[in-house]
Amino acid sequence: GAGVSQTPSNKVTEKGKYVELRCDPISGHTALYWYRQSLGQGPEFLIYFQGTGAADDSGLPNDRFFAVRPEGSVSTLKIQRTERGDSAVYLCASSLTGHVNTEAFFGQGTRLTVV
Amino acid sequence: AQSVSQHNHHVILSEAASLELGCNYSYGGTVNLFWYVQYPGQHLQLLLKYFSGDPLVKGIKGFEAEFIKSKFSFNLRKPSVQWSDTAEYFCAVNGEGTYKYIFGTGTRLKVLA
Repeated sequence: GAGVSQTPSNKVTEKGKYVELRCDPISGHTALYWYRQSLGQGPEFLIYFQGTGAADDSGLPNDRFFAVRPEGSVSTLKIQRTERGDSAVYLCASSLTGHVNTEAFFGQGTRLTVV
Repeated sequence: AQSVSQHNHHVILSEAASLELGCNYSYGGTVNLFWYVQYPGQHLQLLLKYFSGDPLVKGIKGFEAEFIKSKFSFNLRKPSVQWSDTAEYFCAVNGEGTYKYIFGTGTRLKVLA
Protein backbone atom coordinates (compact mmCIF):
# COMPACT_ATOMS: atom_id res chain seq x y z
CA GLY A 1 0.00 0.00 0.00
CA ALA A 2 0.90 3.64 -0.20
CA GLY A 3 1.36 4.16 3.50
CA VAL A 4 1.59 2.44 6.85
CA SER A 5 -1.66 0.66 7.59
CA GLN A 6 -2.87 -0.15 11.10
CA THR A 7 -5.82 -2.28 12.04
CA PRO A 8 -8.16 -2.00 13.73
CA SER A 9 -8.50 1.76 13.86
CA ASN A 10 -10.42 1.49 17.12
CA LYS A 11 -10.54 -1.29 19.68
CA VAL A 12 -12.59 -1.42 22.86
CA THR A 13 -11.84 -4.24 25.21
CA GLU A 14 -12.62 -5.22 28.76
CA LYS A 15 -10.06 -5.09 31.49
CA GLY A 16 -8.15 -8.34 31.67
CA LYS A 17 -8.65 -9.32 28.04
CA TYR A 18 -5.97 -9.96 25.44
CA VAL A 19 -5.63 -7.74 22.36
CA GLU A 20 -3.60 -7.77 19.17
CA LEU A 21 -2.86 -4.68 17.11
CA ARG A 22 -1.61 -5.05 13.56
CA CYS A 23 0.78 -2.92 11.55
CA ASP A 24 1.40 -3.27 7.82
CA PRO A 25 4.45 -1.13 6.94
CA ILE A 26 5.34 0.43 3.63
CA SER A 27 6.56 -2.26 1.26
CA GLY A 28 10.33 -2.60 1.33
CA HIS A 29 10.83 -0.80 4.63
CA THR A 30 13.10 -2.84 6.85
CA ALA A 31 12.71 -0.78 10.01
CA LEU A 32 9.47 -0.77 12.00
CA TYR A 33 8.63 1.07 15.21
CA TRP A 34 5.80 1.03 17.70
CA TYR A 35 4.94 4.10 19.75
CA ARG A 36 2.20 4.78 22.30
CA GLN A 37 0.46 8.12 22.62
CA SER A 38 -1.52 8.77 25.75
CA LEU A 39 -3.99 11.63 26.01
CA GLY A 40 -2.24 14.98 26.06
CA GLN A 41 1.19 13.47 25.48
CA GLY A 42 3.53 13.00 22.59
CA PRO A 43 4.25 9.55 21.22
CA GLU A 44 6.50 7.38 23.41
CA PHE A 45 8.81 4.75 21.99
CA LEU A 46 7.92 1.11 22.65
CA ILE A 47 9.94 -1.15 20.34
CA TYR A 48 12.02 -1.14 17.17
CA PHE A 49 12.42 -3.94 14.64
CA GLN A 50 15.14 -4.23 12.04
CA GLY A 51 13.93 -6.99 9.77
CA THR A 52 12.46 -9.80 11.82
CA GLY A 53 14.31 -9.12 15.03
CA ALA A 54 13.47 -6.73 17.83
CA ALA A 55 16.59 -4.57 17.91
CA ASP A 56 15.38 -2.57 20.89
CA ASP A 57 12.39 -3.34 23.11
CA SER A 58 13.44 -1.10 25.95
CA GLY A 59 10.28 0.99 25.73
CA LEU A 60 7.85 -1.83 26.41
CA PRO A 61 6.34 -0.94 29.79
CA ASN A 62 6.16 -4.46 31.23
CA ASP A 63 5.97 -8.12 30.29
CA ARG A 64 2.29 -7.89 29.37
CA PHE A 65 3.43 -6.23 26.15
CA PHE A 66 5.01 -8.19 23.35
CA ALA A 67 5.51 -7.61 19.63
CA VAL A 68 6.48 -9.81 16.73
CA ARG A 69 7.43 -9.39 13.11
CA PRO A 70 7.94 -12.98 11.92
CA GLU A 71 8.52 -12.33 8.22
CA GLY A 72 10.08 -8.91 8.40
CA SER A 73 6.98 -7.15 7.16
CA VAL A 74 3.72 -7.12 9.13
CA SER A 75 4.05 -6.65 12.86
CA THR A 76 1.65 -7.44 15.68
CA LEU A 77 1.68 -5.77 19.08
CA LYS A 78 0.17 -8.05 21.71
CA ILE A 79 -1.10 -6.93 25.08
CA GLN A 80 -2.08 -9.47 27.72
CA ARG A 81 -4.33 -8.87 30.72
CA THR A 82 -5.16 -5.35 29.59
CA GLU A 83 -5.49 -2.62 32.17
CA ARG A 84 -7.33 0.70 31.99
CA GLY A 85 -3.96 2.45 31.94
CA ASP A 86 -3.18 0.78 28.63
CA SER A 87 -5.79 2.97 26.96
CA ALA A 88 -3.97 5.06 24.36
CA VAL A 89 -3.35 5.43 20.65
CA TYR A 90 -0.79 2.92 19.47
CA LEU A 91 1.21 4.19 16.52
CA CYS A 92 3.28 2.21 14.09
CA ALA A 93 5.95 3.72 11.85
CA SER A 94 8.31 2.35 9.26
CA SER A 95 11.41 3.58 7.49
CA LEU A 96 13.45 2.36 4.59
CA THR A 97 16.36 1.51 6.84
CA GLY A 98 17.05 1.95 10.52
CA HIS A 99 19.54 4.68 9.82
CA VAL A 100 18.74 7.78 11.80
CA ASN A 101 18.76 9.97 8.72
CA THR A 102 15.89 8.14 7.05
CA GLU A 103 12.39 9.47 7.52
CA ALA A 104 9.91 7.46 9.56
CA PHE A 105 6.39 7.27 8.14
CA PHE A 106 3.57 6.87 10.64
CA GLY A 107 0.27 5.07 10.40
CA GLN A 108 -2.98 6.54 11.67
CA GLY A 109 -2.82 4.50 14.82
CA THR A 110 -5.10 2.16 16.73
CA ARG A 111 -7.09 3.79 19.50
CA LEU A 112 -7.30 1.24 22.30
CA THR A 113 -9.86 1.76 25.05
CA VAL A 114 -9.88 -0.58 28.02
CA VAL A 115 -13.11 -0.45 29.99
CA ALA B 1 17.35 12.79 31.15
CA GLN B 2 16.51 13.18 27.49
CA SER B 3 13.43 15.31 26.94
CA VAL B 4 11.70 17.71 24.60
CA SER B 5 9.66 20.65 25.85
CA GLN B 6 7.00 22.45 23.90
CA HIS B 7 5.91 25.43 25.90
CA ASN B 8 2.74 26.33 24.06
CA HIS B 9 0.06 23.68 24.43
CA HIS B 10 -2.68 25.59 22.65
CA VAL B 11 -2.30 28.46 20.20
CA ILE B 12 -5.10 30.34 18.48
CA LEU B 13 -4.31 32.68 15.60
CA SER B 14 -6.17 34.52 12.90
CA GLU B 15 -5.37 33.85 9.28
CA ALA B 16 -2.33 35.76 8.02
CA ALA B 17 -0.84 36.04 11.51
CA SER B 18 2.73 34.93 12.03
CA LEU B 19 3.47 31.74 13.92
CA GLU B 20 6.29 30.69 16.18
CA LEU B 21 6.11 27.48 18.20
CA GLY B 22 8.78 26.88 20.78
CA CYS B 23 10.76 23.67 21.19
CA ASN B 24 13.61 23.06 23.60
CA TYR B 25 15.40 19.80 24.11
CA SER B 26 17.66 18.20 26.65
CA TYR B 27 19.97 15.64 25.12
CA GLY B 28 23.61 14.85 25.54
CA GLY B 29 25.54 14.70 22.30
CA THR B 30 24.76 15.36 18.67
CA VAL B 31 21.08 15.48 17.81
CA ASN B 32 18.77 15.29 14.83
CA LEU B 33 15.66 17.44 15.12
CA PHE B 34 12.23 17.11 13.58
CA TRP B 35 8.86 18.76 13.42
CA TYR B 36 5.87 16.55 12.71
CA VAL B 37 2.32 17.71 12.05
CA GLN B 38 -0.93 15.86 12.59
CA TYR B 39 -3.94 17.27 10.78
CA PRO B 40 -7.36 16.35 12.19
CA GLY B 41 -8.09 12.71 11.51
CA GLN B 42 -4.79 12.10 9.80
CA HIS B 43 -1.48 10.49 10.62
CA LEU B 44 1.71 12.19 11.74
CA GLN B 45 3.57 13.72 8.81
CA LEU B 46 7.08 15.10 8.65
CA LEU B 47 7.18 18.90 8.24
CA LEU B 48 10.94 19.36 8.31
CA LYS B 49 14.12 17.95 9.75
CA TYR B 50 17.59 19.08 10.73
CA PHE B 51 20.60 16.79 10.66
CA SER B 52 23.54 19.11 10.06
CA GLY B 53 24.63 22.14 8.07
CA ASP B 54 22.58 25.31 7.71
CA PRO B 55 20.70 25.75 11.00
CA LEU B 56 17.78 27.38 9.19
CA VAL B 57 15.72 24.57 7.72
CA LYS B 58 12.89 25.02 5.27
CA GLY B 59 10.09 22.49 5.14
CA ILE B 60 6.83 21.94 3.37
CA LYS B 61 3.92 24.38 3.23
CA GLY B 62 6.05 27.44 3.98
CA PHE B 63 7.26 26.28 7.40
CA GLU B 64 10.80 26.77 8.60
CA ALA B 65 12.72 26.10 11.79
CA GLU B 66 15.95 27.37 13.23
CA PHE B 67 18.34 25.26 15.24
CA ILE B 68 20.09 27.34 17.90
CA LYS B 69 22.58 25.02 19.52
CA SER B 70 23.49 27.38 22.36
CA LYS B 71 19.84 27.58 23.39
CA PHE B 72 19.02 23.91 22.74
CA SER B 73 16.11 25.17 20.68
CA PHE B 74 14.44 24.32 17.40
CA ASN B 75 11.52 26.71 17.02
CA LEU B 76 9.04 26.38 14.20
CA ARG B 77 7.95 29.44 12.26
CA LYS B 78 5.62 30.45 9.49
CA PRO B 79 5.22 34.09 8.38
CA SER B 80 1.52 33.86 7.51
CA VAL B 81 -0.72 31.03 8.67
CA GLN B 82 -3.74 29.70 6.85
CA TRP B 83 -6.90 28.07 8.14
CA SER B 84 -5.59 24.78 6.72
CA ASP B 85 -2.65 24.91 9.14
CA THR B 86 -5.00 23.98 11.97
CA ALA B 87 -3.36 20.87 13.39
CA GLU B 88 -1.25 19.52 16.21
CA TYR B 89 2.50 20.04 15.91
CA PHE B 90 5.12 17.84 17.54
CA CYS B 91 8.79 18.55 17.98
CA ALA B 92 11.03 15.46 18.18
CA VAL B 93 14.69 14.63 18.62
CA ASN B 94 16.87 11.62 18.17
CA GLY B 95 20.52 11.28 18.92
CA GLU B 96 23.31 10.49 16.51
CA GLY B 97 23.49 6.73 16.14
CA THR B 98 20.04 6.12 17.60
CA TYR B 99 16.66 5.70 16.03
CA LYS B 100 14.29 6.40 18.90
CA TYR B 101 12.38 9.61 18.57
CA ILE B 102 11.71 11.55 21.75
CA PHE B 103 8.63 13.67 21.21
CA GLY B 104 7.36 16.77 22.92
CA THR B 105 3.80 16.89 24.20
CA GLY B 106 2.59 18.76 21.14
CA THR B 107 1.03 22.14 20.40
CA ARG B 108 -2.52 22.38 19.16
CA LEU B 109 -2.82 25.23 16.67
CA LYS B 110 -6.18 26.61 15.69
CA VAL B 111 -6.33 29.15 12.89
CA LEU B 112 -9.48 31.21 12.67
CA ALA B 113 -10.73 32.03 9.19
